Parts: sequence; C-alpha cells; structure tokens
Amino acid sequence: GIQVEQSPPDLILQEGANSTLRCNFSDSVNNLQWFHQNPWGQLINLFYIPSGTKQNGRLSATTVATERYSLLYISSSQTTDSGVYFCAVGSPRLMIIQGAQKLVFGQGTRLTINP
Amino acid sequence: DAGVTQSPTHLIKTRGQQVTLRCSPKSGHDTVSWYQQALGQGPQFIFQYYEEEERQRGNFPDRFSGHQFPNYSSELNVNALLLGDSALYLCASSRRGYSYEQYFGPGTRLTVT
Repeated sequence: GIQVEQSPPDLILQEGANSTLRCNFSDSVNNLQWFHQNPWGQLINLFYIPSGTKQNGRLSATTVATERYSLLYISSSQTTDSGVYFCAVGSPRLMIIQGAQKLVFGQGTRLTINP
Repeated sequence: DAGVTQSPTHLIKTRGQQVTLRCSPKSGHDTVSWYQQALGQGPQFIFQYYEEEERQRGNFPDRFSGHQFPNYSSELNVNALLLGDSALYLCASSRRGYSYEQYFGPGTRLTVT
C-alpha cells in the first residue's frame, strides 16, 4: 500500500521562528490533508491540498504531486502552534467505489515552540 | 454548523467486555470513517460506511464491527476487548461525490484494563 513519511519527527523552536514540515508519499494521490492534533486529541483540519499552494494566515502548504511530496510552512511560530502535525493521503488505488476513500497517515511531526 | 460529534469522551472497560462508540457526522455529510490511534502513532483506518453499508475495511479483526443509521450517524462496536485495544478512536465524516476532504471528531479515549 501507499507509504507516507513525515520529517522531521521532532522539531523544537523558539517563538517567532519559521518552520518547514515535509511529507513524502509513495504513490499518486487525489487527496492530501494536513492536520494539527491538539493536546486533547482532536485533529484540526489545516489544509486540503492534493496539489498546488494554499495559504491561511501564518500557515501555508505546497503539494508537488508529480514529485510526491508536500510541505507545510509555519511562519512567526507561537507557543499555541505546539503539537503534532499529521499529513494524510488518499489514493485512487485505495478507492473501491467512487468517493469511498481511506486516509493513510504519516507518523507525525511533534513541534514544540518555546517562549 | 455542527461539526463531527462523538460519545462518550472517555471509557474504561475490562478485558473480554464489549464496547460501543458513537459518531454523528458533520451537517451535510453522508460518509463516516473510523480510525484507531495508538499512543505515539498516526491514526489507522478501521472501516468506512456509506448508505448504511461497510464500503472499505482496514486490517482489523472481525471483533471490530460497525453500523450506519439512516440519519448517517454511526456506531463502532468492539467485542472481546484486549489490552491492545486501548487507544483513541476517531470518527471522520465526508460528503461523497463532493470532496474527499474528511473532518474529524474529538475522539473517544478507550482504556482496557
């Protein structure tokens, strides 16, 4: 099946720094989502980005589907950005019927922002 | 616009018991997927329901079963609980034919003792 690798596994930064998180995947995808998992476990949708570039405030993401990777950028980090960031992908090969698709998650990047 | 809801929030069970977890999808969504997240790991796909039928299944034993109701809400049942079933169980919903994007609920944390 499709493999998803995230790097780095851990990242420790000072408040105000910028960071780049990477997600590599092993097959073609028609769904790629970035999530932030809060301390209570809920997955917060950051981006739905199977291709192209999107920005939302201090966060932006780029997916280069032909090269099978996606990047999540966080600028001017704040302590509230701390947590685990997951990349999850869906592939046409994972679909049995149109619209029924499972997500395959990476292992996550644990981001710690110190004041 | 109500998001995905799950109940209960926390649950403690004993080995061998059975448990039922519940999920209501986001308004306008008709597809529900269940994921298991062990400590320190990424979520793993259990199964997905659409039109009240199981449409896809991950690598989980038959002890894990589910149901979807006409109002699109769903239940996850786990029989003969093992210590290894202790995990965060996440429900996600999506709208078939509109977008592949999935939205997750807050999860149910199950502890098996």
